[in-house]
Amino acid sequence: GAVVSQHPSRVICKSGTSVKIECRSLDFQATTMFWYRQFPKQSLMLMATSNEGSKATYEQGVEKDKFLINHASLTLSTLTVTSAHPEDSSFYICSARVGWAEGSPLHFGNGTRLTVT
Amino acid sequence: LAKTTQPISMDSYEGQEVNITCSHNNIATNDYITWYQQFPSQGPRFIIQGYKTKVTNEVASLFIPADRKSSTLSLPRVSLSDTAVYYCLVGDTGRRALTFGSGTRLQVQP
Repeated sequence: GAVVSQHPSRVICKSGTSVKIECRSLDFQATTMFWYRQFPKQSLMLMATSNEGSKATYEQGVEKDKFLINHASLTLSTLTVTSAHPEDSSFYICSARVGWAEGSPLHFGNGTRLTVT
Repeated sequence: LAKTTQPISMDSYEGQEVNITCSHNNIATNDYITWYQQFPSQGPRFIIQGYKTKVTNEVASLFIPADRKSSTLSLPRVSLSDTAVYYCLVGDTGRRALTFGSGTRLQVQP
């Protein structure tokens, strides 16, 4: 079945450094991927929509210069948290759909736990 | 996007059937109803999706009344491993993302 893979699963970085998170669609092509963020005991919040070959679309309140998204191929989208601070510590999850046929559900990666010290 | 309302939490015992209802009063004609399960520190896992009436798979059943303003996820004979957060999402299956509500935290007791 369709699989969305994220890497790394966990990362710890120092304040001020940048961290890159990869999201891959393993057995299908994804022209669009979605990035979510989840704080402890809270629901998932959509951060941005990643579009292959074009600029990402960010949700209101999400800084595009801080959360850089690159979707250079049909199977890979990356999220780079630049100049990370402790408040950026969160669980980041990507998702994608297999095709655009009516009824195609979203599939999610297993998430990346970012801890900024 | 249609807003969803679910109970914040539910408790059950092993072997019981659990029904989680979700309200989505402003669902649009093109919207599907999708349920996901999430364990701690994992991404949401697709459970079931439907448009109207009843859908059943090997894991759950989804009941959708004719007006589609609500839906009920039914988990037959739950086990301890079904303890998780369950999210009801409503949206079309185009290029837009789905918006998550607060979810229902299901606790299954032995």
